[in-house]
This record gives sequence, structure tokens and C-alpha cells, in this order.
Amino acid sequence: AQSVTQLDSHVSVSEGTPVLLRCNYSSSYSPSLFWYVQHPNKGLQLLLKYTSAATLVKGINGFEAEFKKSETSFHLTKPSAHMSDAAEYFCVVIYSGGYQKVTFGTGTKLQVIP
Amino acid sequence: GAGVSQSPSNKVTEKGKDVELRCDPISGHTALYWYRQSLGQGLEFLIYFQGNSAPDKSGLPSDRFSAERTGGSVSTLTIQRTQQEDSAVYLCASSLGGVSYGYTFGSGTRLTVV
Repeated sequence: AQSVTQLDSHVSVSEGTPVLLRCNYSSSYSPSLFWYVQHPNKGLQLLLKYTSAATLVKGINGFEAEFKKSETSFHLTKPSAHMSDAAEYFCVVIYSGGYQKVTFGTGTKLQVIP
Repeated sequence: GAGVSQSPSNKVTEKGKDVELRCDPISGHTALYWYRQSLGQGLEFLIYFQGNSAPDKSGLPSDRFSAERTGGSVSTLTIQRTQQEDSAVYLCASSLGGVSYGYTFGSGTRLTVV
């Protein structure tokens, strides 16, 4: 069985300060992990992905995430928030077995305060 | 096409009517998912198609929901006798089939049942 937990439903940061969006997963096997972003009235966009290569993954728009197997975490970070980062972020785990099972976290809404 | 196309983008229907939602995946993508996103909720898995294999229907919430994928390409999600709780954004995603590719999402169909 696999699951994804996004620990914060809402995160609020000031523009120019660091962003941390937390994600923990559980999986019986080594998973592939993704972060998606959804801006208001837009579709989901892939930010970055981890698929058992480098544990520190760099994505678009200055975001990065580090896969920590010992902590079963895949937290999303950005050194300096921009107003355009305000959106909802989804952590996703994919287990590729006989079927690919995709499990989404419940999402974290990021608010950026000017 | 260049991306995953969903139609219609918005649909308002009366309670009890049937609706069909369409998804055109990226050409060559063998995997196709349907999800729905209800107000204040995360993403809920509905159904998964992979090539010619039998679909994984484990996420369909009731027998009023069905989906098919013709010729391994276009998919149609049908909701019969719609209820107000069916109101949500229905998202389609496709992938080349390997986890390393991630999934590309359409912009969704916003369904409102009145």
C-alpha cells in the first residue's frame, strides 16, 4: 500500500522569503515522486520528479526537492518566494508494479504576501 | 496534439441527466488517468487505462460512472443520472507509460449539477 501526506493544507510566506512545502510518503517499494503545481483556473503542471537518480532534484521556477529515504520525505523548497508562486501544490507518489498506481497528496495552498 | 485536451471546459447540467466528458491524450501516450477534484478536496483517482490492458476501475465512486477508451487514444467518462455531489473538476492525464516521464494533465472539465 502507498500513501502521501502533505502536512500543511495552507502555507503563507512573505515575498522574498524561503518556501518549504512538506511531503511524506509511505510505499512498500521504492517509489517515484513528483510535485505538481496548479495555479487558479489552470491545469496541473509538473514541477519536478524523482525517479531513483540524484536525490536532490531541481525543477522549474527555482523549485527543488530532496528525496530522503530515511525520513520518507520529499519536501519542496525554494530559496525566495515570488508572488507568481501563489498556487496549490500536490505531492504525488507513483508505484510501478503490475499497474502503475498514482496517489496524490491532498494539496498545499501557498499564499505569498507582498 | 501538443497537450492533453479536454472538452467541454465547462458543463452545467440538470440533476438526473447524463453527461459525457471527453479526453484527447497526447499522441503516443499509452497511459491515461481520470481524476476529479471537488471543492476543498484533493485529487480523487477514478480510473486508469494502460495500453490494451483491462482498465483499473477501482476509483469509480458508483455504478453511475463509466469510462471507455477507444483505439487506445480518446477516452470518454460518462456519468449517468447526475447528482449534485458529482459537481467537480474532472481531470484527465496521460503519460508515455513509464514513471520517469511523469504525467501531463489537461485543463479539466468543470461540471456543475444544478
